[in-house]
Amino acid sequence: DTAVSQTPKYLVTQMGNDKSIKCEQNLGHDTMYWYKQDSKKFLKIMFSYNNKELIINETVPNRFSPKSPDKAHLNLHINSLELGDSAVYFCASSPGQGNYNEQFFGPGTRLTVL
Amino acid sequence: AQSVTQLGSHVSVSEGALVLLRCNYSSSVPPYLFWYVQYPNQGLQLLLKYTSAATLVKGINGFEAEFKKSETSFHLTKPSAHMSDAAEYFCAVSDPQAGTALIFGKGTTLSVSS
Repeated sequence: DTAVSQTPKYLVTQMGNDKSIKCEQNLGHDTMYWYKQDSKKFLKIMFSYNNKELIINETVPNRFSPKSPDKAHLNLHINSLELGDSAVYFCASSPGQGNYNEQFFGPGTRLTVL
Repeated sequence: AQSVTQLGSHVSVSEGALVLLRCNYSSSVPPYLFWYVQYPNQGLQLLLKYTSAATLVKGINGFEAEFKKSETSFHLTKPSAHMSDAAEYFCAVSDPQAGTALIFGKGTTLSVSS
């Protein structure tokens, strides 16, 4: 059973398009995250949700909009894709808001914008 | 804000040799520290975490790390490297002032030769 799953695994699209990445966790966790890993493998937090409520919204262009329909899902919609959006996007979840909690990561979605 | 510095973007060892991956943190409060491993084209997996219970932390796959407050360090070690240890390793700190998001170091690529 996959704990944190993401679809699609690969996404190739043209500049200017709109795309979505879906994330689901079956761990019963309250908190979910989106991280971006750039071409140099640097990981940075984008968003965090706790019980469907937005907790963290880092300095991310407003073309990126997270949506949490329920506790188990956190989707990422990206409008007007740009070349610089090419990266690997990771979804993660943790049991709660405690800073000591381990985060469980999905396998990642590699987005390539042409 | 808290931050993490990983010294050495690339470490090469021979199979059977000691593995030492360095991590230094800056934090104004007692930190929660984590080591994650990323195998090629996969998500991140927790190796171990420090949550103030014990300064020497044992993790999976024979890895351990020692928290040294005086040196603000949390170096990762393994007595004897195995070919399967070749991967990207990330040190991370959980910043209470930024919710529960992880602040990652830039990563260290570990290569193991036979």
